[in-house]
Amino acid sequence: QSVLTQPPSVSGAPGQRVTISCTGSSSNIGAGYDVHWYQQLPGTAPKLLIYGNNNRPSGVPDRFSGSKSGTSASLAITGLQAADEADYYCQSSDSSLSGNCVFGTGTKVTVL
Amino acid sequence: QVQLQESGPGLVKPSETLSLTCSVSGGSVNSNNYYWTWIRQPPGNGLERLEWIGYISYSGITKYNTALQSRVTISVDTSKNQFSLRLSSVTAADTAVYYCARAFDYFDSSGYNDRPCDFWGQGTLVTVSS
Repeated sequence: QSVLTQPPSVSGAPGQRVTISCTGSSSNIGAGYDVHWYQQLPGTAPKLLIYGNNNRPSGVPDRFSGSKSGTSASLAITGLQAADEADYYCQSSDSSLSGNCVFGTGTKVTVL
Repeated sequence: QVQLQESGPGLVKPSETLSLTCSVSGGSVNSNNYYWTWIRQPPGNGLERLEWIGYISYSGITKYNTALQSRVTISVDTSKNQFSLRLSSVTAADTAVYYCARAFDYFDSSGYNDRPCDFWGQGTLVTVSS
């Protein structure tokens, strides 16, 4: 079961900024584990978007940024584009699950 | 560029064992600092939860999801540059798209190794049904 909670959906007009929250607890994000973010376009595998809270792999535009504070993390998308319409998942680890990797519940981003 | 490709039966009967293989190209399963990982996602229309199954490290160490560990085995065949997943005693709840992925070492400021997945296979749907 997911121990990281995300809003089911967020939306914005092209060019706007949207943020996605990932709320955890003292056994995962709050314990010091970093957070990664993935983008999943329809019918495709997830793609690593942000790792270690705020690092972008090569090729990921700087419109995507991440942050972490306390027991939560956030993904921000600025200059929203139609191509950003996708599902987004956060990932961390959880000490109550023997350090197992855990994923968030996922957020659908809709570009209006 | 590393590429991963899952293969295996798309239909498995209840109580039997699911077996999948992931073929790796553009990189070696022997490479230091990588973890060869399986993740699954139930089929649906979106926002289906991702579930981490486990990994085998470059040194052969395995780590499994505690909820699945009594039924899971991940192994590696270095001669074929492949790694495999076996999940026993399957039920309908194991119906999912199964992804193989490569995770890498990433040590955070707390000293934890958070292992993000940077390359993924395209996924393969496995249905458990009689």
